[in-house]
Amino acid sequence: GQNIDQPTEMTATEGAIVQINCTYQTSGFNGLFWYQQHAGEAPTFLSYNVLDGLEEKGRFSSFLSRSKGYSYLLLKELQMKDSASYLCAVGVKAAGNKLTFGGGTRVLVKP
Amino acid sequence: GAVVSQHPSWVICKSGTSVKIECRSLDFQATTMFWYRQFPKQSLMLMATSNEGSKATYEQGVEKDKFLINHASLTLSTLTVTSAHPEDSSFYICSAGGLAGIYTDTQYFGPGTRLTVL
Repeated sequence: GQNIDQPTEMTATEGAIVQINCTYQTSGFNGLFWYQQHAGEAPTFLSYNVLDGLEEKGRFSSFLSRSKGYSYLLLKELQMKDSASYLCAVGVKAAGNKLTFGGGTRVLVKP
Repeated sequence: GAVVSQHPSWVICKSGTSVKIECRSLDFQATTMFWYRQFPKQSLMLMATSNEGSKATYEQGVEKDKFLINHASLTLSTLTVTSAHPEDSSFYICSAGGLAGIYTDTQYFGPGTRLTVL
């Protein structure tokens, strides 16, 4: 099976940087996904890592180390609208590309 | 690209009735669609995986006779909650995968359907 761990909550100040860590144990790894979910809404896709290294997309970056079973999502220049839950999910190829989600990290951005 | 719609966005029904939720990929053909359920302040729980033209694969603990899934085309999947009860009240979210290109394994989510059973 899959085991995915991420912190439950994080608080940061507007304009700052926050790093959300995610560790996982899985078989048949087929990519690490990060989604953002605002309260009462569906998740929106942020990033996808399948090879080791850093992927940068504007203010958001995601890093993957497959050997360590570790990823992080880096949010720079935080804005109030970034207050949301951030979901780490692992894809499993053998299971029809289904995703297993971590519990999510609630990020609260304060002025 | 990669827009997924879901209908209805919310529904209130009486206990014992059935509710159908539609999930459509609007601008791409989805080889696979997924149905999730999410309770307040919890993460997404996968209920089932459906492929066009074949039977859905249900996760352990999900009753396939209660949650009927039909994947009639590459752009439409439906979830029917049969004989709904108050404990079925939840946020139901579908996702679609199979977008051509580098994100073919990425799932794109519909806006969700909030079901309340009285």
